[in-house]
Amino acid sequence: DAMVIQNPRYQVTQFGKPVTLSCSQTLNHNVMYWYQQKSSQAPKLLFHYYDKDFNNEADTPDNFQSRRPNTSFCFLDIRSPGLGDAAMYLCATSRDRGQGNQPQHFGDGTRLSIL
Amino acid sequence: GEDVEQSLFLSVREGDSSVINCTYTDSSSTYLYWYKQEPGAGLQLLTYIFSNMDMKQDQRLTVLLNKKDKHLSLRIADTQTGDSAIYFCAESTPGTASKLTFGTGTRLQVTL
Repeated sequence: DAMVIQNPRYQVTQFGKPVTLSCSQTLNHNVMYWYQQKSSQAPKLLFHYYDKDFNNEADTPDNFQSRRPNTSFCFLDIRSPGLGDAAMYLCATSRDRGQGNQPQHFGDGTRLSIL
Repeated sequence: GEDVEQSLFLSVREGDSSVINCTYTDSSSTYLYWYKQEPGAGLQLLTYIFSNMDMKQDQRLTVLLNKKDKHLSLRIADTQTGDSAIYFCAESTPGTASKLTFGTGTRLQVTL
């Protein structure tokens, strides 16, 4: 049974047109993460929420924002997608943070294409 | 700074054992993880090991940790075609809000 669910699996948008990616979880985990993964690269953390506390990585572009309206859902908003934003976007959750024995669980990702 | 390195590619025959290696630089790493990524999919957690352990076995998977050399390996016994994927090692360190530092990934190809 899927525990971290990302929708849609594939998303196509136009250059500069805002797009929102969605993630939901049935694990009731406190922490939710968004990663960007470009082809043949490791995932790169964009930001994470610890409950309602938003934590941005220093090198995450301003073009990327996130919302977490409740425990189960988290959204990634890309305000003005550029060609360089085409990538796989991965959502992950963990029960707590700073606790290595509570590993991150990933969804299947959304592959974003920019026309 | 943190750095995690892996070889890019490994090819093995079906039925043989695979050994995927990883080196890391942060001596304060507390947990080390192995994730599997199949084409077009997310990351699947395979196993993880705490830094005070040197070995962990889970069915066909064996993780070996040499903390002195900062070397981690994943051995897959009786490798099957379904094991073909990219394998990422990752580390976490205390006080970094669960931030994972991933290796570059090793693509495992299983041939008949």
